[in-house]
Amino acid sequence: NAGVTQTPKFRILKIGQSMTLQCTQDMNHNYMYWYRQDPGMGLKLIYYSVGAGITDKGEVPNGYNVSRSTTEDFPLRLELAAPSQTSVYFCASTHGASDYYNEQFFGPGTRLTVL
Amino acid sequence: GIQVEQSPPDLILQEGANSTLRCNFSDSVNNLQWFHQNPWGQLINLFYIPSGTKQNGRLSATTVATERYSLLYISSSQTTDSGVYFCAVTALLTGGFKTIFGAGTRLFVKA
Repeated sequence: NAGVTQTPKFRILKIGQSMTLQCTQDMNHNYMYWYRQDPGMGLKLIYYSVGAGITDKGEVPNGYNVSRSTTEDFPLRLELAAPSQTSVYFCASTHGASDYYNEQFFGPGTRLTVL
Repeated sequence: GIQVEQSPPDLILQEGANSTLRCNFSDSVNNLQWFHQNPWGQLINLFYIPSGTKQNGRLSATTVATERYSLLYISSSQTTDSGVYFCAVTALLTGGFKTIFGAGTRLFVKA
C-alpha cells in the first residue's frame, strides 16, 4: 500500500493562476479530507468527502473547489490563486464514519506559495 | 463549534526528561487522535484514543471523555521527539462528522 499520495510536493503560483492539487489513496477509504496548515498553526479543514460523488465544506472552503468521482481520488482546485492561499496542504483519509475505527492517514503535503 | 485547546504551547526539555501534554475540548466528541509532526512536516499518527489509556513504547495517552480532556505522556524524551504534537477531535456537527485540530504543542528536546 502506498497509503495517501499527493502531487505536486511544491508549487509556486502567480496571483490569479489556477491549479489542481492531486490526492490519491489506495486503502479503499470512504472518507477523504483536505486541510491547510499555515506557518506555526494547526490544521484547518477545507473540504471533505464521505464517498464518491459526495463532498461538503469544512471550516475554510472559500477559494477552493473539490470533486470526488472515484473512491481513490480527491483533487482540490484553486481557481484564482491569492497570496492568502500560501500554505501547506494535506490530504487525509479514513475508513468510515466516526462510529467505526477512524484513524486518519495523512499524505506528505503540498507546499504552495502564491506570489 | 467545538474548541480544542492544547497546553503548553511550547516546551523545551533536556534529553531524558518526562513530559505531559494536555488537550481540552469543549463538547462531546466521537473520537480523538494524537499526531506528531516532525521537523520535515510529516504527520504521524500516535494514538487513536476516544477513551481510556493506550501505550506505545515511551509514549502513552489517556482520554477522559466525560471530563473532556486527553493527556499525552512522553517518557525518557529523545531529540527525535522534537516537533509539534497535535490533538484532533472528530465530532458530529452541522453537515456531518468533522475533525478539528488544536493549535499544537511545539516540543524541542535538547541533547
